[in-house]
Amino acid sequence: GQSLEQPSEVTAVEGAIVQINCTYQTSGFYGLSWYQQHDGGAPTFLSYNALDGLEETGRFSSFLSRSDSYGYLLLQELQMKDSASYFCAVTSDPSNTGKLIFGQGTTLQVKP
Amino acid sequence: NAGVMQNPRHLVRRRGQEARLRCSPMKGHSHVYWYRQLPEEGLKFMVYLQKENIIDESGMPKERFSAEFPKEGPSILRIQQVVRGDSAAYFCASSPDSRPYEQYFGPGTRLTVT
Repeated sequence: GQSLEQPSEVTAVEGAIVQINCTYQTSGFYGLSWYQQHDGGAPTFLSYNALDGLEETGRFSSFLSRSDSYGYLLLQELQMKDSASYFCAVTSDPSNTGKLIFGQGTTLQVKP
Repeated sequence: NAGVMQNPRHLVRRRGQEARLRCSPMKGHSHVYWYRQLPEEGLKFMVYLQKENIIDESGMPKERFSAEFPKEGPSILRIQQVVRGDSAAYFCASSPDSRPYEQYFGPGTRLTVT
């Protein structure tokens, strides 16, 4: 089977740093993506890791450890607008790298 | 530079009717994906299409659901004889050839079956 585990909710204060973890069990692995979704709107691509290590894009960073089947999204200098749902997604089929398997999502609430 | 377009944004159908959901990918994208999302849940992959071809439909229910991406015009997700359990948000996404994992999503179609 295929499964991805994320915490269901995380709360943090404005200006803080928060880490959202994702562990996965899939029949194959090609890469890990992160998406943001506000209030059921269109999900927005944030980052992608195919190799071990940290990828940084502005205030957001994403980490992958293939040997541990684990990744995380790090959000720095939190802003109120970062309140949203965050989904990790695995590409498990190298012959179909567009097929994303999504986790259930983590709802991040940023408080003043 | 228009993003992914979906219409209608909201669709109400009675049980037994047909639902047609349309998706126009971003300009220059030839890969289209359809996902379904239930409230408080993640997105579930349904189907991956390129122009005139279904590449992967492993997430599509075997009955009542079909998808196409014709040479001209938008991609269509068709649900025949809808049931209450089909009520969900249906998202379409497109991606560039070189980065299929980098998907750009449309605003979704909220289907309500009464």
